[in-house]
Amino acid sequence: NAGVTQTPKFQVLKTGQSMTLQCAQDMNHNSMYWYRQDPGMGLRLIYYSASEGTTDKGEVPNGYNVSRLNKREFSLRLESAAPSQTSVYFCASSELRTGTGNTIYFGEGSWLTVV
Amino acid sequence: ELKVEQNPLFLSMQEGKNYTIYCNYSTTSDRLYWYRQDPGKSLESLFVLLSNGAVKQEGRLMASLDTKARLSTLHITAAVHDLSATYFCAVAHGGNTGKLIFGQGTTLQVKP
Repeated sequence: NAGVTQTPKFQVLKTGQSMTLQCAQDMNHNSMYWYRQDPGMGLRLIYYSASEGTTDKGEVPNGYNVSRLNKREFSLRLESAAPSQTSVYFCASSELRTGTGNTIYFGEGSWLTVV
Repeated sequence: ELKVEQNPLFLSMQEGKNYTIYCNYSTTSDRLYWYRQDPGKSLESLFVLLSNGAVKQEGRLMASLDTKARLSTLHITAAVHDLSATYFCAVAHGGNTGKLIFGQGTTLQVKP
């Protein structure tokens, strides 16, 4: 069981370049998320998708776009990368049910450097 | 605006000692999570706490939740080197959406 899989794991971009981070989960979860983690900080939510076909902004959405391609896949796009977007990006998924554990599972992370 | 604060941010302790990490949050929430992160790795789910007075234990770690005080604690009993990691609490907000606000993390270093 692979869980949440992200690609690429490492990427170096030049300022102004674009790229897409891919995420797929094999747990049949409805909800998926993209977070970023900066050094010495907790994670901050960029975008989330409660279900296939829906997306919504999180705490730090500026400079990003997302696509919920199907139930399994949720991609994050940087249209014009900036050095401030240098970070570690985590994808996550969850099956939220009222009154139950609602564990949120995270991928391995994607290390992005913008120079 | 929901804010989550952990303390201490860094904790160095000897093996065999007990200690507690505190997580305070500013507005009501129905769910609190604890995660562990090893350097360069993903987040590993430790506990999900759903209600006031909830207590969960796994090995040397025990987490509790006091929703009235907006406080959760992660207690470490008889620490061992393998527990060295960064621990995050995260509080759910925005209803049953799974959106989390994370604390800054507590880096635990257990010395032999």
